[in-house]
Amino acid sequence: DAKTTQPTSMDCAEGRAANLPCNHSTISGNEYVYWYRQIHSQGPQYIIHGLKNNETNEMASLIITEDRKSSTLILPHATLRDTAVYYCTAIPGGGYQKVTFGTGTKLQVIP
Amino acid sequence: EAQVTQNPRYLITVTGKKLTVTCSQNMNHEYMSWYRQDPGLGLRQIYYSMNVEVTDKGDVPEGYKVSRKEKRNFPLILESPSPNQTSLYFCASSQTGTLAKNIQYFGAGTRLSVL
Repeated sequence: DAKTTQPTSMDCAEGRAANLPCNHSTISGNEYVYWYRQIHSQGPQYIIHGLKNNETNEMASLIITEDRKSSTLILPHATLRDTAVYYCTAIPGGGYQKVTFGTGTKLQVIP
Repeated sequence: EAQVTQNPRYLITVTGKKLTVTCSQNMNHEYMSWYRQDPGLGLRQIYYSMNVEVTDKGDVPEGYKVSRKEKRNFPLILESPSPNQTSLYFCASSQTGTLAKNIQYFGAGTRLSVL
């Protein structure tokens, strides 16, 4: 399973786009990039995932570099409710095995 | 409502007193997992189960046991809890085998204090 590294913390002004990077330089060809977020001490919540194409859903966009060694989660118009810890992880397609989440990025959205 | 249910939500116990944290899911998921979360260390996987009667160690299995006798339940057992197991615990479940749909659903967490 690929190891992921993320900045410890980031700030973003309310209403602006939040861009959260993740490095996964050891990702293998069959591993998908998944993003989750955790608000306060609640259970983490799924946001988005992708393999190699950029993805968008109602919550966020995911940009994966062509070499797949890094990705960026984009929250297009951050709100105060987006203040949370964001985790990226790499998971093999077709089934889970051991999962490593890492320490995540604490995003603070500032009014 | 699709959910992962953990019980209890809060637990204070003493060193050495065996305890079990239950986890149940109603989504017919094959995969279930336990994590612990400590300040500065993120989410660390304790054990996971790919299906009934199939369990395996995660990154921090020492001091814990699990069992998977039924698909919906995945209890976490601390035979002799110690203070270093004071933590916030999460159970999660996921479907498997469907390409690109391995989304984990998490329970609300169990905050354990071992005195």
